[in-house]
Amino acid sequence: AQSVTQLGSHVSVSEGALVLLRCNYSSSVPPYLFWYVQYPNQGLQLLLKYTTGATLVKGINGFEAEFKKSETSFHLTKPSAHMSDAAEYFCAVSRPGTASKLTFGTGTRLQVTL
Amino acid sequence: KAGVTQTPRYLIKTRGQQVTLSCSPISGHRSVSWYQQTPGQGLQFLFEYFSETQRNKGNFPGRFSGRQFSNSRSEMNVSTLELGDSALYLCASRRGNENTEAFFGQGTRLTVV
Repeated sequence: AQSVTQLGSHVSVSEGALVLLRCNYSSSVPPYLFWYVQYPNQGLQLLLKYTTGATLVKGINGFEAEFKKSETSFHLTKPSAHMSDAAEYFCAVSRPGTASKLTFGTGTRLQVTL
Repeated sequence: KAGVTQTPRYLIKTRGQQVTLSCSPISGHRSVSWYQQTPGQGLQFLFEYFSETQRNKGNFPGRFSGRQFSNSRSEMNVSTLELGDSALYLCASRRGNENTEAFFGQGTRLTVV
Protein backbone atom coordinates (compact mmCIF):
# COMPACT_ATOMS: atom_id res chain seq x y z
CA ALA A 1 0.00 0.00 0.00
CA GLN A 2 1.06 3.57 -0.47
CA SER A 3 0.14 6.79 1.29
CA VAL A 4 0.97 10.47 1.38
CA THR A 5 1.07 12.86 4.30
CA GLN A 6 1.06 16.58 3.76
CA LEU A 7 1.98 18.51 6.87
CA GLY A 8 -0.04 21.67 7.27
CA SER A 9 -3.44 22.06 5.67
CA HIS A 10 -2.90 25.83 5.45
CA VAL A 11 0.34 27.70 4.86
CA SER A 12 0.60 31.48 4.71
CA VAL A 13 3.63 33.33 3.34
CA SER A 14 4.39 36.89 2.40
CA GLU A 15 4.91 37.81 -1.22
CA GLY A 16 8.60 37.35 -2.00
CA ALA A 17 9.15 34.85 0.82
CA LEU A 18 10.22 31.24 0.50
CA VAL A 19 7.49 28.70 -0.09
CA LEU A 20 7.95 25.29 1.55
CA LEU A 21 5.19 22.69 1.35
CA ARG A 22 5.91 19.39 3.03
CA CYS A 23 5.15 15.92 1.72
CA ASN A 24 6.09 12.55 3.15
CA TYR A 25 5.20 9.30 1.47
CA SER A 26 4.99 5.64 2.26
CA SER A 27 5.55 3.05 -0.42
CA SER A 28 6.74 -0.54 -0.44
CA VAL A 29 8.43 -0.06 -3.81
CA PRO A 30 10.31 2.84 -5.38
CA PRO A 31 7.61 5.42 -5.95
CA TYR A 32 6.66 7.89 -8.59
CA LEU A 33 6.03 11.26 -6.92
CA PHE A 34 4.08 14.27 -8.11
CA TRP A 35 3.01 17.74 -7.10
CA TYR A 36 -0.22 19.15 -8.50
CA VAL A 37 -1.81 22.57 -8.09
CA GLN A 38 -5.54 23.28 -8.11
CA TYR A 39 -7.11 26.70 -8.50
CA PRO A 40 -10.73 27.26 -7.44
CA ASN A 41 -13.26 25.42 -9.58
CA GLN A 42 -10.51 23.99 -11.73
CA GLY A 43 -8.90 20.64 -12.32
CA LEU A 44 -5.38 19.69 -11.33
CA GLN A 45 -2.27 20.93 -13.09
CA LEU A 46 1.02 19.07 -12.80
CA LEU A 47 3.83 21.16 -11.32
CA LEU A 48 6.54 18.52 -11.39
CA LYS A 49 7.19 14.81 -11.11
CA TYR A 50 9.88 12.39 -10.02
CA THR A 51 10.08 8.95 -11.56
CA THR A 52 13.75 8.02 -11.80
CA GLY A 53 17.09 9.74 -12.16
CA ALA A 54 18.01 13.13 -10.72
CA THR A 55 16.48 13.62 -7.29
CA LEU A 56 16.15 17.39 -7.60
CA VAL A 57 13.27 18.06 -9.93
CA LYS A 58 12.44 21.43 -11.43
CA GLY A 59 8.90 22.21 -12.45
CA ILE A 60 6.82 25.00 -13.83
CA ASN A 61 6.37 28.46 -12.33
CA GLY A 62 9.70 28.30 -10.48
CA PHE A 63 8.81 25.36 -8.25
CA GLU A 64 11.16 22.51 -7.46
CA ALA A 65 11.19 19.46 -5.23
CA GLU A 66 13.80 17.04 -3.98
CA PHE A 67 13.25 13.32 -3.58
CA LYS A 68 14.93 12.16 -0.36
CA LYS A 69 14.62 8.42 -0.03
CA SER A 70 16.20 8.28 3.43
CA GLU A 71 13.59 10.74 4.73
CA THR A 72 10.75 9.46 2.51
CA SER A 73 10.09 13.07 1.61
CA PHE A 74 9.32 15.11 -1.48
CA HIS A 75 8.97 18.69 -0.26
CA LEU A 76 7.98 21.44 -2.68
CA THR A 77 9.81 24.76 -2.65
CA LYS A 78 9.85 28.07 -4.44
CA PRO A 79 12.38 30.78 -3.57
CA SER A 80 10.00 33.73 -3.91
CA ALA A 81 6.23 33.57 -3.62
CA HIS A 82 3.92 35.47 -5.95
CA MET A 83 0.30 36.36 -5.34
CA SER A 84 -0.61 34.12 -8.26
CA ASP A 85 0.76 31.10 -6.34
CA ALA A 86 -2.22 31.17 -3.98
CA ALA A 87 -3.96 27.85 -4.58
CA GLU A 88 -4.26 24.33 -3.19
CA TYR A 89 -1.32 22.00 -3.66
CA PHE A 90 -1.48 18.23 -3.68
CA CYS A 91 1.32 15.74 -3.35
CA ALA A 92 0.66 12.35 -4.94
CA VAL A 93 2.35 8.98 -5.23
CA SER A 94 1.98 6.08 -7.61
CA ARG A 95 4.05 3.01 -8.35
CA PRO A 96 5.44 1.22 -11.37
CA GLY A 97 2.87 -1.10 -12.86
CA THR A 98 -0.07 0.98 -11.65
CA ALA A 99 1.25 4.40 -12.56
CA SER A 100 -2.20 5.71 -13.37
CA LYS A 101 -3.46 5.08 -9.84
CA LEU A 102 -2.46 8.22 -8.00
CA THR A 103 -2.78 8.35 -4.22
CA PHE A 104 -3.13 11.95 -3.10
CA GLY A 105 -2.37 13.74 0.10
CA THR A 106 -5.04 15.86 1.74
CA GLY A 107 -3.73 19.05 0.22
CA THR A 108 -2.17 22.28 1.46
CA ARG A 109 -3.84 25.59 0.84
CA LEU A 110 -1.22 28.26 0.20
CA GLN A 111 -2.10 31.84 1.02
CA VAL A 112 0.17 34.65 -0.17
CA THR A 113 -0.10 37.99 1.58
CA LEU A 114 1.24 41.42 0.69
CA LYS B 1 -4.15 21.15 -28.76
CA ALA B 2 -7.46 20.64 -26.99
CA GLY B 3 -7.32 19.62 -23.35
CA VAL B 4 -9.41 17.12 -21.44
CA THR B 5 -13.10 17.95 -21.77
CA GLN B 6 -15.62 16.93 -19.16
CA THR B 7 -19.34 17.37 -19.56
CA PRO B 8 -21.47 18.58 -18.01
CA ARG B 9 -19.65 20.99 -15.68
CA TYR B 10 -22.46 21.07 -13.14
CA LEU B 11 -25.22 18.62 -12.38
CA ILE B 12 -27.97 18.38 -9.77
CA LYS B 13 -29.64 15.03 -9.19
CA THR B 14 -32.06 13.56 -6.68
CA ARG B 15 -31.30 10.68 -4.35
CA GLY B 16 -31.98 7.36 -5.99
CA GLN B 17 -31.44 8.61 -9.54
CA GLN B 18 -28.56 7.63 -11.72
CA VAL B 19 -26.11 9.87 -13.55
CA THR B 20 -23.66 9.60 -16.43
CA LEU B 21 -20.62 11.81 -16.73
CA SER B 22 -18.53 12.14 -19.86
CA CYS B 23 -14.83 12.66 -20.46
CA SER B 24 -13.10 13.29 -23.78
CA PRO B 25 -9.33 12.81 -23.43
CA ILE B 26 -6.59 14.59 -25.29
CA SER B 27 -6.22 13.34 -28.82
CA GLY B 28 -3.85 10.37 -28.92
CA HIS B 29 -4.27 9.55 -25.24
CA ARG B 30 -5.52 6.04 -24.59
CA SER B 31 -5.76 6.04 -20.80
CA VAL B 32 -8.59 7.70 -18.89
CA SER B 33 -8.78 7.72 -15.11
CA TRP B 34 -11.55 8.98 -12.87
CA TYR B 35 -11.23 10.56 -9.42
CA GLN B 36 -13.73 11.72 -6.83
CA GLN B 37 -12.90 14.84 -4.81
CA THR B 38 -14.80 15.65 -1.62
CA PRO B 39 -13.94 17.90 1.34
CA GLY B 40 -14.06 14.94 3.71
CA GLN B 41 -12.27 12.21 1.76
CA GLY B 42 -10.10 14.30 -0.54
CA LEU B 43 -9.07 12.94 -3.93
CA GLN B 44 -9.78 9.26 -4.41
CA PHE B 45 -9.08 7.06 -7.41
CA LEU B 46 -12.15 5.43 -8.92
CA PHE B 47 -10.87 3.48 -11.94
CA GLU B 48 -8.79 3.63 -15.09
CA TYR B 49 -9.65 2.55 -18.59
CA PHE B 50 -7.10 1.80 -21.27
CA SER B 51 -8.01 0.69 -24.77
CA GLU B 52 -11.62 0.06 -23.72
CA THR B 53 -10.62 -2.19 -20.79
CA GLN B 54 -10.65 -1.41 -17.11
CA ARG B 55 -7.01 -1.60 -16.07
CA ASN B 56 -7.08 -0.44 -12.45
CA LYS B 57 -9.82 -0.03 -9.89
CA GLY B 58 -10.16 1.81 -6.59
CA ASN B 59 -12.24 0.96 -3.57
CA PHE B 60 -15.67 2.17 -4.53
CA PRO B 61 -18.96 0.25 -4.47
CA GLY B 62 -20.39 -1.34 -7.58
CA ARG B 63 -22.78 1.59 -8.01
CA PHE B 64 -19.82 3.33 -9.63
CA SER B 65 -19.03 2.02 -13.07
CA GLY B 66 -17.42 3.20 -16.23
CA ARG B 67 -16.65 2.38 -19.79
CA GLN B 68 -14.43 3.54 -22.59
CA PHE B 69 -15.22 3.73 -26.25
CA SER B 70 -13.03 2.99 -29.26
CA ASN B 71 -12.26 6.71 -29.64
CA SER B 72 -10.98 6.71 -26.02
CA ARG B 73 -13.85 8.81 -24.74
CA SER B 74 -15.02 7.57 -21.37
CA GLU B 75 -18.20 7.68 -19.38
CA MET B 76 -18.72 7.18 -15.68
CA ASN B 77 -22.05 6.08 -14.29
CA VAL B 78 -23.31 6.24 -10.74
CA SER B 79 -26.53 4.43 -9.97
CA THR B 80 -28.87 4.84 -7.00
CA LEU B 81 -27.34 8.15 -6.01
CA GLU B 82 -26.72 8.94 -2.36
CA LEU B 83 -26.19 12.32 -0.73
CA GLY B 84 -22.58 11.32 -0.10
CA ASP B 85 -21.95 11.04 -3.81
CA SER B 86 -21.98 14.82 -4.05
CA ALA B 87 -18.48 15.66 -5.22
CA LEU B 88 -16.26 17.02 -7.92
CA TYR B 89 -15.52 14.20 -10.36
CA LEU B 90 -12.25 14.62 -12.21
CA CYS B 91 -11.11 12.83 -15.29
CA ALA B 92 -7.45 12.49 -16.24
CA SER B 93 -6.02 11.39 -19.55
CA ARG B 94 -2.60 9.93 -20.22
CA ARG B 95 -0.88 8.72 -23.33
CA GLY B 96 -0.78 5.36 -21.66
CA ASN B 97 2.91 4.77 -21.21
CA GLU B 98 4.22 4.22 -17.72
CA ASN B 99 5.84 7.55 -16.93
CA THR B 100 3.65 9.94 -18.81
CA GLU B 101 1.91 12.89 -17.27
CA ALA B 102 -1.78 12.81 -16.36
CA PHE B 103 -3.73 15.79 -17.69
CA PHE B 104 -6.86 16.64 -15.74
CA GLY B 105 -10.12 18.08 -16.93
CA GLN B 106 -11.96 20.82 -15.06
CA GLY B 107 -14.31 18.31 -13.51
CA THR B 108 -18.02 17.78 -13.15
CA ARG B 109 -19.58 19.13 -9.96
CA LEU B 110 -22.33 16.70 -8.95
CA THR B 111 -24.80 17.72 -6.27
CA VAL B 112 -27.24 15.12 -4.95
CA VAL B 113 -30.28 16.50 -3.17
